[in-house]
Formats: sequence, C-alpha cells, structure tokens
Amino acid sequence: EIVLTQSPGTLSVSPGERVTLSCRASQSFSTSSLAWYQQRPGQAPRLLLYDAFSRSAGVPDRFSGSGSGTDFTLTIKRLEPEDFAVYFCHQFDSSPYTFGQGTKLELK
Amino acid sequence: QDQLVQSGAEVKKPGASVKLSCKASGYIFTSYAMNWVRQAPGQRLEWMAWINAGNGNTKYSQKFQGRVTVTRDASASIAYMELSSLTSGDTAVYYCARGYSGINPNSYFDLWGRGTLVTVSS
Repeated sequence: EIVLTQSPGTLSVSPGERVTLSCRASQSFSTSSLAWYQQRPGQAPRLLLYDAFSRSAGVPDRFSGSGSGTDFTLTIKRLEPEDFAVYFCHQFDSSPYTFGQGTKLELK
Repeated sequence: QDQLVQSGAEVKKPGASVKLSCKASGYIFTSYAMNWVRQAPGQRLEWMAWINAGNGNTKYSQKFQGRVTVTRDASASIAYMELSSLTSGDTAVYYCARGYSGINPNSYFDLWGRGTLVTVSS
C-alpha cells in the first residue's frame, strides 16, 4: 500500500500569502495518478488538481501542482479567504487507492 | 449541475449491516464510475470500493473484501454501498465520489457527495 504523508499538518497563514503544501509517498508512482482535493468545513471534498498539475474546471489559476516520483506539492499563491480549508492528496496508481492525512490552512 | 445526494445518517448496533445510497443527477450516470470512501473520526480518507456504473463491474479494497458490497440501479441513477458485520471501528462519514473514468478504477474523483454519518454503537 502506498502511504502518503502530507506536511505540514497545519499551516497558520494570512490572506495574500503564498503557501506550499507537501505530499510525500512511501514509493514512487506515476505522476498522472496524483490528485489534490480541498475540503471546506461542512462541505464535500472538491477536486482541485489531477494528474499532479492539471486544474479541474473552475479552479483558479492561483492553485498549481508539481512534482514526480515520491514528492508532490500544491502551491497556492495569494491566499484568498475562501482558501482556508483542508487539502488532501490522493494516489490512484495502485490499489488500495490512498489519501494523505491532510493539511489544514488556518487563519493566522 | 452535476450532483451526488447521499442518504441520511444511520445509527446501527454492532454486528448489523448498513446500506447507504448515493443518487446522481445532472450527468449520464452510466458514463462514470462510483467510489465509496470513508473517514473515521481523526483518521484520513479511506477508499473502500469502486463500481462501473455502466456494467456493474466492481473492485474492492482488500481491507473490506467480503464485508462490503457496492451495487447500482442504473435506471434510477443510484449507487449503493452495503457494509456488514459492523463494529465501532466502522463509525465514520461515508462518501460517494464519482470516478472520472467510467471503466478504469485508477482514476481521480471529480465529484463528491456530502457524506453520510454512520454511527455504530450498542
């Protein structure tokens, strides 16, 4: 099973800042099998990025993804108030498909 | 607007089974797949099962094999997930999530329901 470890667990930031979230895998897998999701309190998760860096429809271009192999990142430039949420990475390369434990962005 | 509406919260006793539903609207149900994912309190999301909504083919996480069954009613655009032999460890929010690829379980989830809370308690 591929274990995904996200860091940091919580990030205290201010609107307008740039943040980089990390997702590290226990073994290498295809870049095209990594997705990122956002979950706001009380809401369903929302797909942000797929294939590691492709933005889902309607996702602002302040969200970007990069990485390969075992190390992937999600970058949000110029945080907006609605970006304060929990972010998950997800690998669907090999079963069981697994998720990171999440990174929470909180208001500083 | 594509949407997944899940059934309401359930309270079950240990040893019982629970069957959850997920009604899809706004898109062609049989063109996609449906996954079931759960999140226990304080735990990460956990993938459980996948079903091809077109032909009914299924794939299960080995962890839940034998205890989980996913089905669908294509005519009603509803996916179901039944979990048996419940224990307190099955207390979680259960999500249905649409698989972008209808035929390949190795796919991202492009639409999620809001989740159903299942509480297992004596």
